[in-house]
Amino acid sequence: EPEVTQTPSHQVTQMGQEVILRCVPISNHLYFYWYRQILGQKVEFLVSFYNNEISEKSEIFDDQFSVERPDGSNFTLKIRSTKLEDSAMYFCASRNGPGNEQFFGPGTRLTVL
Amino acid sequence: DAKTTQPPSMDCAEGRAANLPCNHSTISGNEYVYWYRQIHSQGPQYIIHGLKNNETNEMASLIITEDRKSSTLILPHATLRDTAVYYCIVRAGRGSQGNLIFGKGTKLSVKP
Repeated sequence: EPEVTQTPSHQVTQMGQEVILRCVPISNHLYFYWYRQILGQKVEFLVSFYNNEISEKSEIFDDQFSVERPDGSNFTLKIRSTKLEDSAMYFCASRNGPGNEQFFGPGTRLTVL
Repeated sequence: DAKTTQPPSMDCAEGRAANLPCNHSTISGNEYVYWYRQIHSQGPQYIIHGLKNNETNEMASLIITEDRKSSTLILPHATLRDTAVYYCIVRAGRGSQGNLIFGKGTKLSVKP
């Protein structure tokens, strides 16, 4: 069964450093998402991406964040200058059309020291 | 998207049916009810969704009241592996961007 994959599973970085989290969505999917979950808190929407552009973003997704689909398979989230409060699980999700369910990856645990 | 209300926690005996309620009294006509679950810190997993008719798949059944103001997710024979946080989410279907707004969900504990 096709699935969303994410790498790395755990990323440790120093405050102020740039990180890139990688996702490979399910191959025929067209809509892509990033969510995050701070330890013990709710899953929060960050950004949605369709047709090579951001379609919606939350207040969390400020200028420090960017997304890219550099080729036909990868979908990346970049955090330009990490802060301590960026420590969280980051989940990528995809779906293949409007109204259809989203499939989530296993997540990347980001730890900012 | 309409707001949902779920009990914070529930227990269920292994092998018995788990019935998880959700209130969504402000749901509008084009909004679907979606259920996801999150086992420990894994990625959320889609379970089922519906508009107004009851739905069943290999994982669960979804019962939506006639006025659509509430619904119940039924796991017919709960196992220990069904222990998870279950999220009821209401959102528009076709035409929406599809981003999901998660609440705190119901923490279901399946006990032997």
